[in-house]
Amino acid sequence: AQTVTQSQPEMSVQEAETVTLSCTYDTSENNYYLFWYKQPPSRQMILVIRQEAYKQQNATENRFSVNFQKAAKSFSLKISDSQLGDTAMYFCAFVHNNNDMRFGAGTRLTVKP
Amino acid sequence: DTAVSQTPKYLVTQMGNDKSIKCEQNLGHDTMYWYKQDSKKFLKIMFSYNNKELIINETVPNRFSPKSPDKAHLNLHINSLELGDSAVYFCASSQDHFRVYSGYTFGSGTRLTVV
Repeated sequence: AQTVTQSQPEMSVQEAETVTLSCTYDTSENNYYLFWYKQPPSRQMILVIRQEAYKQQNATENRFSVNFQKAAKSFSLKISDSQLGDTAMYFCAFVHNNNDMRFGAGTRLTVKP
Repeated sequence: DTAVSQTPKYLVTQMGNDKSIKCEQNLGHDTMYWYKQDSKKFLKIMFSYNNKELIINETVPNRFSPKSPDKAHLNLHINSLELGDSAVYFCASSQDHFRVYSGYTFGSGTRLTVV
């Protein structure tokens, strides 16, 4: 069974600074997909960024980027120029074909003014 | 136009009652899911349907019964509600069970409170 681990239950960052959220996963599969989802207080689950395991290049979406280390089974999220609206729970997720998406326990990020 | 819509958004009910949560997606996706998010925010898969067919049924009490009348709808019926059923229930969809590279699209959740 695949497991996803987020070792940081809570983090905080000053507005405009950079923060990195950690995620590791365990799988015997070679081809799979990784995601970061954001859940603000509105509780809506919003897809932030995704990475395909067979692509070596790290994904980026504006201020959000990942550091994907396949051998180490690590998938961290970097948020640059943090904004107050980035305050949310962040979930790392793993899925491969024909299976359901598995989530980490989440990291609560607070951006301080 | 909401892609995945759940109703109701909030549900407060007494122990022992039976309730349903409805979910509809207008994305043309083949696969739909129910997740439960507990008070510690942990998300756990409950069920998955692919084109109206049950494909994932995690260890969930049989008081929970999903129903998919067509591939755009996946409803969740809960019998004999218990205090421990209090949680946020999320519906989600994906293109199909194999093409998951776009991730899942989630509904806005239903907060169920059993008193």
